[in-house]
Amino acid sequence: GESVGLHLPTLSVQEGDNSIINCAYSNSASDYFIWYKQESGKGPQFIIDIRSNMDKRQGQRVTVLLNKTVKHLSLQIAATQPGDSAVYFCAERQNSGYSTLTFGKGTMLLVSP
Amino acid sequence: GAGVSQSPSNKVTEKGKDVELRCDPISGHTALYWYRQSLGQGLEFLIYFQGNSAPDKSGLPSDRFSAERTGGSVSTLTIQRTQQEDSAVYLCASSFPGQGRTEAFFGQGTRLTVV
Repeated sequence: GESVGLHLPTLSVQEGDNSIINCAYSNSASDYFIWYKQESGKGPQFIIDIRSNMDKRQGQRVTVLLNKTVKHLSLQIAATQPGDSAVYFCAERQNSGYSTLTFGKGTMLLVSP
Repeated sequence: GAGVSQSPSNKVTEKGKDVELRCDPISGHTALYWYRQSLGQGLEFLIYFQGNSAPDKSGLPSDRFSAERTGGSVSTLTIQRTQQEDSAVYLCASSFPGQGRTEAFFGQGTRLTVV
């Protein structure tokens, strides 16, 4: 389930479960969305992206869903592994890269073996 | 180099001193971003450079903060008269805008501690 961590919401799952991390974005003009994974002591790393002309995109063990009607983005991780434990951020941008990238607040994912 | 490089990786400074943080973006990336991340928090936007355009400075928290980007490559973030609340990890990222994959690539950050 979810709980409030230090400052970030936390999702705790068991290894092998599927995880769903949600994000509400702010700007209806945003046309590009990214999920980043940040491990302790490291900078954020790209996981998957999606453009606003799509509503679903799949990668390896990850799927991103975009609902523009309610400005909602989700990241689904299949068969979650302990190595997936990290903080996950969604980010939005408008104008095909000629503007800054705005980040959501982040969700901490804790995977128990 | 292959990725975004930031230096120093750690910086401890006394309150009231000025500090400079350096970012070397990925070669050819025209966009460069600075973010600040406090412990357990999200990424706070500071400033964005895009090519020769005027930078977007809307995220700078006070006039003690400034940044420049020389020659469209290396960037320096300067914090004058540091305060304890400036303690955070400062992250730099770069990207190449366009229609393809345009995600920002991040450096490892500079951890600033003001004592």
